[in-house]
Parts: sequence; structure tokens; C-alpha cells
Amino acid sequence: DSGVTQTPKHLITATGQRVTLRCSPRSGDLSVYWYQQSLDQGLQFLIQYYNGEERAKGNILERFSAQQFPDLHSELNLSSLELGDSALYFCASSAGSVQYFGPGTRLTVT
Amino acid sequence: GIQVEQSPPDLILQEGANSTLRCNFSDSVNNLQWFHQNPWGQLINLFYIPSGTKQNGRLSATTVATERYSLLYISSSQTTDSGVYFCAVRNTGFQKLVFGTGTRLLVSP
Repeated sequence: DSGVTQTPKHLITATGQRVTLRCSPRSGDLSVYWYQQSLDQGLQFLIQYYNGEERAKGNILERFSAQQFPDLHSELNLSSLELGDSALYFCASSAGSVQYFGPGTRLTVT
Repeated sequence: GIQVEQSPPDLILQEGANSTLRCNFSDSVNNLQWFHQNPWGQLINLFYIPSGTKQNGRLSATTVATERYSLLYISSSQTTDSGVYFCAVRNTGFQKLVFGTGTRLLVSP
């Protein structure tokens, strides 16, 4: 158990819908990262927050947004969902160099 | 951006065999992590090893940063070692991890 929690574990939704994925980092970790794992793109970095502020951005679509709250949990919002958004979404947290990954949320868009 | 290549892409072993997985990267890094993704999709931290050698039970890893590669050794493999092994690196000055395409390992009894 990495100490990073993610909810829900599975999510099935229709095209055009909006979903919110939630992540709670390890106790004391200020940095939260979001990654997407899809069959065609592999594991890719989406975005990083540090203590509530956006720190780095990767190949995150404009339809996607994230935030980190004062209690350090983070949410990833995915809107206008397309079939190609089906993927495993991971959250990771770190206090230093090592990133610890949560169990992931498997999103299926039908 | 930095490129990460892993080899072999697929590996099939009999239980008890040893194996070596390789990770090559195209630029200098200040972070290198090895992960095991189990059949349930969980990413499990194996090693944080930007340089040097580490051992943890039947697993060990070596990174030669000056030559831009890392090796993961699995000895006396077990069926529970099956899954995908990822190497991920971070460039100096960047926060994100860049993942390789993975090595899919199947250990048969």
C-alpha cells in the first residue's frame, strides 16, 4: 500500500459526460501528480500541483482540469468525454524525489 | 524531450529462472524509478535508483548514469513476478516522470 488513495476505482460513463476523479496524497506530501495510462499512448504525465498551486503541465487536454485543495487532496475533472479518454488514471504524490502511485481509477467511456 | 527505451518488450520465463531488464534513456536524469505493474493494474515502487546499485530480496537494480542506462535483475523468478515492469526517469529541472514502454514479463510454473 503506497498510502495514496484514489476514488472511485472504476467509472463507466457515456460520451459527452463529465466526471471527477479524486486523489488523497500520502500524509505530509505536498506534491500531487496526475498520469494517464492508455493503450496507445502508454503512461503520460498530465499535471502537477504543489501545495495548492499548479507547478507543471504535460499533455493535458483543454477538456481536462485539476485542482488541489487546502487539505491537499486533488481532483481531476474530465469533461465532454470521448471514447479515446478511456484509460487508467493514476495519481501520485511525493515529498522529495520518489513518487508514490495510487491504485488508479479505470475510466470507461461508452 | 527525453526518450526512454526498455528491452526486451516481452519476456517469458519458467519459474526459478533469472532475467535482466534494460532501460536506456537519452539525456541526463536526476531521478530514476523502477515499477512493477501487477495484473490488477497497480503500480508498485521497486527502486529509486538515479545511480549506483540497490538490492531488495530477489530483485536488484543498477544505474550507470554516465552511460544512460539502468538494469533490473530478477533472480529465482516466481509466478507473482508476472506483470509489466516500467522504468521512469526525470530530467533535471523538470518535475514529471517520463515512462518507458515497459517490459511485459510472464513467469510460468
